[in-house]
Amino acid sequence: QSALTQPPSASGSPGQSVTISCTGTSSDVGGYNYVSWYQQHPGKAPKLMIYEVSKRPSGVPDRFSGSKSGNTASLTVSGLQAEDEADYYCSSYAGSNNLRVFGTGTKVTVL
Amino acid sequence: EVQLVESGGGLVQPGGSLRLSCAASGFTFSGYSMNWVRQAPGKGLEWVSFISSSSSTIYYADSVKGRFTISRDNAKNSLYLQMNSLRDEDTAVYYCARQSSGWTLDYWGQGTLVTVSS
Repeated sequence: QSALTQPPSASGSPGQSVTISCTGTSSDVGGYNYVSWYQQHPGKAPKLMIYEVSKRPSGVPDRFSGSKSGNTASLTVSGLQAEDEADYYCSSYAGSNNLRVFGTGTKVTVL
Repeated sequence: EVQLVESGGGLVQPGGSLRLSCAASGFTFSGYSMNWVRQAPGKGLEWVSFISSSSSTIYYADSVKGRFTISRDNAKNSLYLQMNSLRDEDTAVYYCARQSSGWTLDYWGQGTLVTVSS
């Protein structure tokens, strides 16, 4: 099972928006509404930011939003803040054979 | 407060074995499926294994199938990963993670480092 494809990096100035893509296939991203996004600061554990494509867990700012079109999911961070600088990973359910696949990861830099 | 605390990592020679543990608290452990996810140094996340709440369903990534065994003890609120025939490429931080609806990993432990080296 190949990893989902994400851009290696993305950046924006404080207050701007940044969108990260996550491209898979019809066997994972395109086949199920089970895409989630995780934020990871250096040396820390991943933290859930978005689940089931566009749902936000309690406590996650509404600046974070998710969507999906076909085989590509996206995470948008609006109103960038310094603390949003981190690595972001998408993940998708991939069926009963492969179960779960993660994205390659995107490093977001706040300029 | 949900807490997941991994332990058991360390330095092991290629071909050796190691058993990781994950102690859960702050929620009804027996009601949730659990996963192990690893991250090699400087690399991305890789899903390793899944176990359902009653241990009736278990899955492994192809990279560890036949070498790793996941298990749990609901009476002890604990998750385990028995790792045998370890290889250099198994070097990683290993996280346990709780699974909620929609195949979501909603809580993660802080991770434990496994280093496979001679």
